[in-house]
Amino acid sequence: ETGVTQSPTHLIKTRGQQVTLRCSSQSGHNTVSWYQQALGQGPQFIFQYYREEENGRGNFPPRFSGLQFPNYSSELNVNALELDDSALYLCASSDSGARANVLTFGAGSRLTVL
Amino acid sequence: TQLLEQSPQFLSIQEGENLTVYCNSSSVFSSLQWYRQEPGEGPVLLVTVVTGGEVKKLKRLTFQFGDARKDSSLHITAAQPGDTGLYLCAGPYGGATNKLIFGTGTLLAVQP
Repeated sequence: ETGVTQSPTHLIKTRGQQVTLRCSSQSGHNTVSWYQQALGQGPQFIFQYYREEENGRGNFPPRFSGLQFPNYSSELNVNALELDDSALYLCASSDSGARANVLTFGAGSRLTVL
Repeated sequence: TQLLEQSPQFLSIQEGENLTVYCNSSSVFSSLQWYRQEPGEGPVLLVTVVTGGEVKKLKRLTFQFGDARKDSSLHITAAQPGDTGLYLCAGPYGGATNKLIFGTGTLLAVQP
């Protein structure tokens, strides 16, 4: 089975710009979650998508938004980028059954905001 | 507010040594998970503990869930350079097992 793939792997933006990050979930997984990981810290939950709807959100402002598509892939959009948005953005997929707590993470997209 | 504090924050040891990493909270968790993250990769799930007092072993790694389900520990016996990485504990965020709150992380470096 294929794992979680994220793109792009690295990108550099300037303050005020917008960015879109993409995630393809693991085969058979219908739930996608996004996390932000600052350097040397644990990941922080941004939001989760299930059946193309947002299904829970962490403490992140509305300029962080997302989408889930019918094939369960997902996008994370960040508007009006700030310097503190520089981080590794991780996507994790899971299913909704008995193994819902088994998350498979992608390798992440490293965003640098200058 | 749920918080998971890990200690130590950094650990540099020689191959063959033993070590313990701690994960503590003032909140009760229905379960806790441990992940290892290597540079350039996402976290990889090592274990899930669900019962207070539970002990699970994964080769040289021993995981324990506290009786009160507020803390957990990871003990590594005879550490090897391949054990190097960021160790993260994580618990359900808002009660949902597929949304996680992560600990602050412990960066382990095992020198050959």
